[in-house]
Amino acid sequence: DAGVTQSPTHLIKTRGQQVTLRCSPISGHKSVSWYQQVLGQGPQFIFQYYEKEERGRGNFPDRFSARQFPNYSSELNVNALLLGDSALYLCASSWTGTSYEQYFGPGTRLTVT
Amino acid sequence: AQSVTQLDSQVPVFEEAPVELRCNYSSSVSVYLFWYVQYPNQGLQLLLKYLSGSTLVKGINGFEAEFNKSQTSFHLRKPSVHISDTAEYFCAVKEGEYGNKLVFGAGTILRVKS
Repeated sequence: DAGVTQSPTHLIKTRGQQVTLRCSPISGHKSVSWYQQVLGQGPQFIFQYYEKEERGRGNFPDRFSARQFPNYSSELNVNALLLGDSALYLCASSWTGTSYEQYFGPGTRLTVT
Repeated sequence: AQSVTQLDSQVPVFEEAPVELRCNYSSSVSVYLFWYVQYPNQGLQLLLKYLSGSTLVKGINGFEAEFNKSQTSFHLRKPSVHISDTAEYFCAVKEGEYGNKLVFGAGTILRVKS
């Protein structure tokens, strides 16, 4: 079975631009969570979606937004990029909205110049 | 809010030696604890989890962890490490009964030397 997939693998953007990151959960999983991992730090929670509804939001500015589609895939959008947004963005999927086992994708490495 | 402190940023150890990676968490009524491993340029893989019951939890790749409520600790151990265990290890706590939000520590890089 395919694991969590994320696209693109890497991308480079310029300050002020907008970016969209994509995540496909494991088949049958209905919840997707997004995390930001800045170099040298642990992942920080950004959003959780379950059944297309937002279930949790971390301490991130409104420039960050996300959505979940009927097939449970998800997009993370970041507007007005700052240098500090450079990070590895991880997506995790789980069966339900309250789960003790989440499966992480390989991440998208975003570099803002 | 929950918080997690990993006491060592890097742990060097020789192959076949034992290792302990330390983790402390802020106390809460319900505590669900996890250890994840991250190999270079990869996502996170779950090593083990503590939800309830026995305080000694066994995971994959020969790792185990002990939940100590009085010390608010969840240290990860392996009796004999291999070169392939070289990676970054993250301790995490699930925040609250509902939702999936994990709060991670800053990570510990385990360097296994031959």
